[in-house]
Amino acid sequence: QVTLRESGPALVRPRQTLTLTCTFSGFSLSTSGVYVTWVRQPPGEALEWLSLIYWDDKKYYNTSLETRLTIFKDTSRNQVVLTMTNMDPVDTATYYCARGKVGPSGAFDTWGQGTVVTVSS
Amino acid sequence: QMTQSPSTLSASVGDRVTITCRASQNVVNWLAWYQQRPGKAPKLLIYQASILETGVPSRFSGGGSGTSFTLTISSLQPEDFATYYCQQYNSFWTFGQGTKVEVK
Repeated sequence: QVTLRESGPALVRPRQTLTLTCTFSGFSLSTSGVYVTWVRQPPGEALEWLSLIYWDDKKYYNTSLETRLTIFKDTSRNQVVLTMTNMDPVDTATYYCARGKVGPSGAFDTWGQGTVVTVSS
Repeated sequence: QMTQSPSTLSASVGDRVTITCRASQNVVNWLAWYQQRPGKAPKLLIYQASILETGVPSRFSGGGSGTSFTLTISSLQPEDFATYYCQQYNSFWTFGQGTKVEVK
C-alpha cells in the first residue's frame, strides 16, 4: 500500500524559511520512473504545482517560485524535502506531496493528507 | 495556462454533467482530472485525457485532445458533489482553477 505523509511547522514567520518533509512508504524513489511532487492550495483557492523530483534526481520547479524553492530526496529514509525561502502571508496554504503515476504519464496518483502552513507574525 | 468552465455548476442527482478544460497551448493528450472533496486531498480520476484510473466508477469519462478537453459524469451521484480540477503535464505541470459541482 502506497502512503505519503507531510510534516512541517504549522506556523512560520514572514521572511523565514519553510522546510517540509514528505515521508512515504510502499514504493522506492530509487526505482526507475518514480517521482514525487509538491502541490499547495491556499484557503478557498485552486491547486498550484510547486516542484517535482525524479528517481534519477532530476528536479523541476514552478518558474514563478523557483528562486525560492529547493527539493531533494533522501532515498534511504524514504523522504522528499521541500524548502521555501522568504515566506510571506500569501504562502499560507495546505501543502501536499504526491507520487507520480509510473509510466508515460505525469499525473499524480497518490496524495498525502496535506499539512496546513500559516505565515503570520 | 488551463481554463475550466464553468467555475460553478449546479446540478441534481442523476444529471449528466460536463466540465470543459481549455489549454492555452497544445498539450496533446497529457491531461488529468482530479476530484477534491472539502477538507480532503485531490483524487486522480482520469489521466492521458481519457484513461480511467483504477477504482474510479465508470460514470466518469474524459475526452478531447490538443487544447480542448471534457470531463463527463453520466449520472451524478451524491458523492460526486465536489470540486474538479484539470491538470496538464505536457510542459511542466499546471492545474486549472477548478469547477465546483454543487447541489441545485
